[in-house]
Amino acid sequence: QQPVQSPQAVILREGEDAVINCSSSKALYSVHWYRQKHGEAPVFLMILLKGGEQKGHDKISASFNEKKQQSSLYLTASQLSYSGTYFCGTEGKNYGQNFVFGPGTRLSVLP
Amino acid sequence: GAGVSQSPSNKVTEKGKDVELRCDPISGHTALYWYRQSLGQGLEFLIYFQGNSAPDKSGLPSDRFSAERTGGSVSTLTIQRTQQEDSAVYLCASSSQQNQPQHFGDGTRLSIL
Repeated sequence: QQPVQSPQAVILREGEDAVINCSSSKALYSVHWYRQKHGEAPVFLMILLKGGEQKGHDKISASFNEKKQQSSLYLTASQLSYSGTYFCGTEGKNYGQNFVFGPGTRLSVLP
Repeated sequence: GAGVSQSPSNKVTEKGKDVELRCDPISGHTALYWYRQSLGQGLEFLIYFQGNSAPDKSGLPSDRFSAERTGGSVSTLTIQRTQQEDSAVYLCASSSQQNQPQHFGDGTRLSIL
């Protein structure tokens, strides 16, 4: 089953913060986050493998609540370069539940 | 090259024709994925190869679609008797193993006239 992402779209001013959420109806083994700019291929941001794990890169970080089957991506002090569509991807714990991407969240950062 | 390579980058063909799309993954990557992305839409899973295991074909939309991976490296996605709804960007990704970061190719933009 495809994970649910919220919000579907968000518009920010440069320097503002944003949170993108990803939730699943199945027990998760891992959560991936990718960003896709218009006309380009998706690019890997980070992967979270353990419940409660938080990872960060520059001003983008993410958390994984294994119990709630949820992950959140945090973008702080957003930059123009953060614009794009953010996809979470999840892999289930049970056999046969392979990797599936969420529908995406479109983020637009305005000057 | 160092990245995932897909060819052709663009393909225009007439309805009813067969097409073959090629993906050359990063050397040593055992996992290979095919996705389809229609304009403005998300990433639709098509098929997954992992090493010598039987591929996960659960995402293939119809029996007109098939894929193979020869020698655990290059993969070919074949669409027979193409329909207009097959028009999309077809993306290939590889990873060193299951549950590792996926590296995407630039995709093949398929247009069915």
